[in-house]
Amino acid sequence: EVQLVDSGGGSVQPGESLRLTCTASGLMLTDYWMSWVRQAPGKGLEWVANIKQDGSEKFYVDSVKGRFTIARDNAKNSVYLQMNNLKVEDTAVYYCARAMVRGILWQIFDHWGQGTLVAVSS
Amino acid sequence: IILTQSPASLAVSLGERATFDCKSSQSLLFDLNNKNYLAWYQQKPGQPPKLLISWASVRESGVPDRFTGSGSGTDFTLTISSLQDEDVAVYYCQQYLITAAVTFGGGTKVEL
Repeated sequence: EVQLVDSGGGSVQPGESLRLTCTASGLMLTDYWMSWVRQAPGKGLEWVANIKQDGSEKFYVDSVKGRFTIARDNAKNSVYLQMNNLKVEDTAVYYCARAMVRGILWQIFDHWGQGTLVAVSS
Repeated sequence: IILTQSPASLAVSLGERATFDCKSSQSLLFDLNNKNYLAWYQQKPGQPPKLLISWASVRESGVPDRFTGSGSGTDFTLTISSLQDEDVAVYYCQQYLITAAVTFGGGTKVEL
Protein backbone atom coordinates (compact mmCIF):
# COMPACT_ATOMS: atom_id res chain seq x y z
CA GLU A 1 0.00 0.00 0.00
CA VAL A 2 1.27 3.46 -0.89
CA GLN A 3 1.29 5.64 2.19
CA LEU A 4 3.03 8.12 4.42
CA VAL A 5 2.93 7.35 8.12
CA ASP A 6 3.23 10.19 10.61
CA SER A 7 4.19 9.44 14.19
CA GLY A 8 5.68 11.00 17.29
CA GLY A 9 2.88 13.25 18.43
CA GLY A 10 1.76 13.48 22.03
CA SER A 11 0.81 15.71 24.93
CA VAL A 12 3.50 17.98 26.33
CA GLN A 13 3.84 21.10 28.42
CA PRO A 14 4.94 24.48 27.09
CA GLY A 15 8.69 24.64 26.61
CA GLU A 16 9.07 20.92 26.01
CA SER A 17 10.17 19.15 22.84
CA LEU A 18 8.86 16.52 20.45
CA ARG A 19 10.23 14.86 17.34
CA LEU A 20 7.83 13.88 14.60
CA THR A 21 8.66 11.21 12.05
CA CYS A 22 7.23 10.61 8.60
CA THR A 23 8.00 7.27 7.01
CA ALA A 24 6.98 6.16 3.56
CA SER A 25 5.95 2.74 2.38
CA GLY A 26 5.31 1.91 -1.23
CA LEU A 27 6.67 5.24 -2.42
CA MET A 28 10.02 6.93 -2.50
CA LEU A 29 10.76 10.22 -0.80
CA THR A 30 14.37 10.48 -1.88
CA ASP A 31 13.89 12.58 -5.01
CA TYR A 32 11.10 14.79 -3.72
CA TRP A 33 10.71 17.94 -1.69
CA MET A 34 8.91 17.16 1.57
CA SER A 35 6.81 19.38 3.81
CA TRP A 36 5.09 19.44 7.16
CA VAL A 37 1.65 21.02 7.28
CA ARG A 38 -0.37 21.49 10.45
CA GLN A 39 -4.00 22.03 11.34
CA ALA A 40 -5.08 23.42 14.69
CA PRO A 41 -8.33 21.97 16.08
CA GLY A 42 -11.25 23.23 14.00
CA LYS A 43 -8.98 25.47 11.93
CA GLY A 44 -7.48 25.56 8.46
CA LEU A 45 -4.24 24.28 7.04
CA GLU A 46 -0.91 25.95 7.74
CA TRP A 47 2.32 25.04 6.00
CA VAL A 48 5.12 24.68 8.56
CA ALA A 49 8.36 23.73 6.81
CA ASN A 50 9.85 22.05 3.77
CA ILE A 51 13.12 20.46 2.77
CA LYS A 52 14.82 19.84 -0.55
CA GLN A 53 15.65 16.34 -1.79
CA ASP A 54 19.24 16.43 -0.53
CA GLY A 55 18.49 18.51 2.57
CA SER A 56 20.51 21.46 1.30
CA GLU A 57 17.56 23.87 1.46
CA LYS A 58 15.03 24.21 4.26
CA PHE A 59 12.33 26.80 4.79
CA TYR A 60 10.02 27.57 7.69
CA VAL A 61 6.94 29.60 8.46
CA ASP A 62 7.92 32.61 10.58
CA SER A 63 6.10 31.40 13.70
CA VAL A 64 8.37 28.34 14.08
CA LYS A 65 11.73 29.72 12.95
CA GLY A 66 14.41 29.08 15.53
CA ARG A 67 12.29 26.47 17.32
CA PHE A 68 11.54 23.77 14.70
CA THR A 69 14.02 21.91 12.52
CA ILE A 70 13.12 19.79 9.52
CA ALA A 71 15.48 16.99 8.50
CA ARG A 72 15.49 13.88 6.38
CA ASP A 73 17.25 10.54 6.13
CA ASN A 74 16.92 9.32 2.57
CA ALA A 75 18.45 5.96 3.42
CA LYS A 76 15.52 5.41 5.79
CA ASN A 77 13.01 7.03 3.43
CA SER A 78 11.99 9.29 6.28
CA VAL A 79 11.50 12.93 7.17
CA TYR A 80 11.55 14.46 10.64
CA LEU A 81 10.37 17.56 12.45
CA GLN A 82 12.19 18.42 15.65
CA MET A 83 10.03 20.77 17.65
CA ASN A 84 11.63 22.60 20.58
CA ASN A 85 10.27 25.17 23.01
CA LEU A 86 6.73 24.19 22.14
CA LYS A 87 3.98 26.72 22.69
CA VAL A 88 0.25 26.29 23.29
CA GLU A 89 -0.38 27.71 19.82
CA ASP A 90 1.59 24.82 18.28
CA THR A 91 -1.26 22.48 19.21
CA ALA A 92 -2.39 20.86 15.96
CA VAL A 93 -2.50 17.74 13.84
CA TYR A 94 0.76 17.63 11.91
CA TYR A 95 0.81 16.09 8.44
CA CYS A 96 3.79 15.28 6.31
CA ALA A 97 3.25 15.82 2.60
CA ARG A 98 5.22 14.95 -0.50
CA ALA A 99 5.62 17.32 -3.42
CA MET A 100 4.12 15.85 -6.55
CA VAL A 101 6.88 16.22 -9.10
CA ARG A 102 10.17 14.42 -8.71
CA GLY A 103 13.16 16.70 -8.50
CA ILE A 104 11.15 19.91 -8.88
CA LEU A 105 10.46 22.52 -6.20
CA TRP A 106 6.76 22.96 -6.97
CA GLN A 107 5.02 22.44 -3.63
CA ILE A 108 1.97 20.59 -4.93
CA PHE A 109 1.16 17.93 -2.35
CA ASP A 110 -0.14 14.69 -3.82
CA HIS A 111 0.63 12.37 -0.91
CA TRP A 112 -0.19 13.09 2.72
CA GLY A 113 0.30 11.25 5.96
CA GLN A 114 -2.68 10.54 8.17
CA GLY A 115 -1.49 13.11 10.69
CA THR A 116 -0.19 13.00 14.26
CA LEU A 117 -1.63 15.11 17.06
CA VAL A 118 0.57 17.43 19.08
CA ALA A 119 -1.13 18.88 22.16
CA VAL A 120 0.66 21.54 24.17
CA SER A 121 -0.90 22.63 27.43
CA SER A 122 0.04 23.35 31.01
CA ILE B 1 1.08 35.80 -0.13
CA ILE B 2 -2.37 35.87 1.50
CA LEU B 3 -5.16 33.77 0.05
CA THR B 4 -8.72 34.78 0.91
CA GLN B 5 -11.46 32.25 0.28
CA SER B 6 -15.13 33.09 0.03
CA PRO B 7 -17.65 32.27 1.19
CA ALA B 8 -16.51 30.62 4.43
CA SER B 9 -19.40 28.19 4.11
CA LEU B 10 -21.88 27.26 1.45
CA ALA B 11 -25.06 25.17 1.52
CA VAL B 12 -26.00 23.54 -1.76
CA SER B 13 -28.69 21.05 -2.73
CA LEU B 14 -27.82 17.70 -4.26
CA GLY B 15 -27.33 18.08 -7.99
CA GLU B 16 -26.93 21.84 -7.81
CA ARG B 17 -23.85 23.84 -8.71
CA ALA B 18 -21.39 24.98 -6.03
CA THR B 19 -18.99 27.81 -6.75
CA PHE B 20 -16.43 29.34 -4.43
CA ASP B 21 -13.55 31.71 -4.79
CA CYS B 22 -9.95 32.20 -3.83
CA LYS B 23 -8.36 35.62 -4.10
CA SER B 24 -4.61 36.12 -3.85
CA SER B 25 -2.87 39.21 -2.50
CA GLN B 26 -0.50 39.04 -5.45
CA SER B 27 -0.49 37.47 -8.86
CA LEU B 28 0.19 33.75 -8.96
CA LEU B 29 0.90 33.83 -12.68
CA PHE B 30 4.57 33.15 -13.39
CA ASP B 31 5.59 34.99 -16.55
CA LEU B 32 8.30 32.60 -17.66
CA ASN B 33 5.98 29.64 -18.10
CA ASN B 34 2.58 31.36 -18.10
CA LYS B 35 1.35 29.06 -15.33
CA ASN B 36 -0.73 29.91 -12.29
CA TYR B 37 0.81 28.42 -9.15
CA LEU B 38 -2.44 27.53 -7.43
CA ALA B 39 -3.84 24.22 -6.20
CA TRP B 40 -7.16 23.12 -4.71
CA TYR B 41 -7.59 20.46 -2.04
CA GLN B 42 -10.59 18.70 -0.57
CA GLN B 43 -10.62 17.68 3.09
CA LYS B 44 -13.24 15.48 4.72
CA PRO B 45 -13.54 15.16 8.52
CA GLY B 46 -10.81 13.07 10.08
CA GLN B 47 -8.89 12.76 6.82
CA PRO B 48 -5.85 14.48 5.34
CA PRO B 49 -6.40 16.82 2.41
CA LYS B 50 -6.70 15.38 -1.07
CA LEU B 51 -5.27 17.14 -4.10
CA LEU B 52 -7.96 17.94 -6.65
CA ILE B 53 -6.47 20.50 -9.01
CA SER B 54 -3.05 21.99 -9.70
CA TRP B 55 -1.98 24.82 -11.97
CA ALA B 56 -5.36 26.43 -11.27
CA SER B 57 -7.21 24.19 -13.72
CA VAL B 58 -5.48 20.82 -14.15
CA ARG B 59 -7.60 18.10 -12.63
CA GLU B 60 -5.71 15.26 -10.95
CA SER B 61 -6.12 11.72 -12.19
CA GLY B 62 -9.26 10.16 -10.74
CA VAL B 63 -10.93 13.43 -9.81
CA PRO B 64 -14.45 13.56 -11.24
CA ASP B 65 -14.96 15.98 -14.09
CA ARG B 66 -17.68 17.79 -12.16
CA PHE B 67 -14.78 19.60 -10.44
CA THR B 68 -13.46 22.51 -12.47
CA GLY B 69 -10.82 25.05 -11.56
CA SER B 70 -10.59 28.37 -13.33
CA GLY B 71 -9.08 31.82 -13.03
CA SER B 72 -5.74 33.51 -13.44
CA GLY B 73 -3.53 36.07 -11.75
CA THR B 74 -5.19 36.88 -8.45
CA ASP B 75 -8.71 35.49 -8.83
CA PHE B 76 -9.57 31.82 -8.90
CA THR B 77 -12.71 29.71 -8.70
CA LEU B 78 -13.53 26.09 -7.98
CA THR B 79 -16.83 24.87 -9.36
CA ILE B 80 -18.64 21.63 -8.58
CA SER B 81 -21.13 21.32 -11.41
CA SER B 82 -23.54 18.92 -9.74
CA LEU B 83 -23.02 18.40 -6.02
CA GLN B 84 -22.94 14.82 -4.76
CA ASP B 85 -23.12 13.49 -1.20
CA GLU B 86 -19.44 12.68 -1.22
CA ASP B 87 -18.50 16.26 -2.09
CA VAL B 88 -19.45 17.54 1.37
CA ALA B 89 -16.09 18.70 2.66
CA VAL B 90 -13.88 21.71 3.25
CA TYR B 91 -12.04 23.02 0.21
CA TYR B 92 -8.72 24.84 0.41
CA CYS B 93 -6.74 26.75 -2.16
CA GLN B 94 -2.97 26.85 -1.86
CA GLN B 95 -0.26 28.85 -3.60
CA TYR B 96 3.14 27.38 -4.39
CA LEU B 97 4.63 30.31 -6.26
CA ILE B 98 7.03 30.89 -3.37
CA THR B 99 8.62 27.63 -2.26
CA ALA B 100 9.91 29.22 0.94
CA ALA B 101 6.49 30.52 1.95
CA VAL B 102 3.69 28.21 0.93
CA THR B 103 0.27 29.42 2.03
CA PHE B 104 -3.27 28.10 2.16
CA GLY B 105 -6.57 29.92 2.08
CA GLY B 106 -8.87 29.73 5.08
CA GLY B 107 -11.15 27.18 3.43
CA THR B 108 -14.75 26.96 2.23
CA LYS B 109 -17.03 24.46 3.94
CA VAL B 110 -19.55 22.90 1.56
CA GLU B 111 -22.68 21.46 3.14
CA LEU B 112 -25.94 20.04 1.91
